[in-house]
Amino acid sequence: GAVVSQHPSRVICKSGTSVKIECRSLDFQATTMFWYRQFPKQSLMLMATSNEGSKATYEQGVEKDKFLINHASLTLSTLTVTSAHPEDSSFYICSARDWTGRFGPDTQYFGPGTRLTVL
Amino acid sequence: AQKITQTQPGMFVQEKEAVTLDCTYDTSDPSYGLFWYKQPSSGEMIFLIYQGSYDQQNATEGRYSLNFQKARKSANLVISASQLGDSAMYFCAMSPNRDDKIIFGKGTRLHILP
Repeated sequence: GAVVSQHPSRVICKSGTSVKIECRSLDFQATTMFWYRQFPKQSLMLMATSNEGSKATYEQGVEKDKFLINHASLTLSTLTVTSAHPEDSSFYICSARDWTGRFGPDTQYFGPGTRLTVL
Repeated sequence: AQKITQTQPGMFVQEKEAVTLDCTYDTSDPSYGLFWYKQPSSGEMIFLIYQGSYDQQNATEGRYSLNFQKARKSANLVISASQLGDSAMYFCAMSPNRDDKIIFGKGTRLHILP
């Protein structure tokens, strides 16, 4: 149980294009999903909290217009990196909480991540 | 301030030996959750084990156990009978006040030697 998928797993794009990353909870409903960014050899940095049916909550320093988040259903959240630039190249990983899981309502289950390379 | 500290940036352990990964935390909230995640080179974050602050017993999941010492604010991960596949980055994490967010430590890279 508590499986989270993420698509695509890897994307290479040209500078100036927009990239959409999907995060899906496969066997549970997730009212709250999270988006993280991870630089090489570093820990995860929370970018935003995505709430189903409402606006995302962004962490300080994260550009809302740059990283658009939509949580249209209980199983899907999307992150769109708009007008991507080389400095946006990173590993992006999403997570979701399974409120009905046996490991506590605050346990987050992660997708496999998306490696974005902007040329 | 809420914080997770992992003091071991890297560890080398012989296969089949037990491993203890250190983690200390700081929070003033009475209710919180503690987690350990494993991140192999593929990048996925694999949930290993959970400990609630009010849980009386230490959590155990297969070869993983969490040595929870509340007074010392310590939540060490113990891996018994280590295997080559245990080589990965390990992150200790906390959800203060059982809130939405999880705070991660900087991680410990574990290398299991054959």
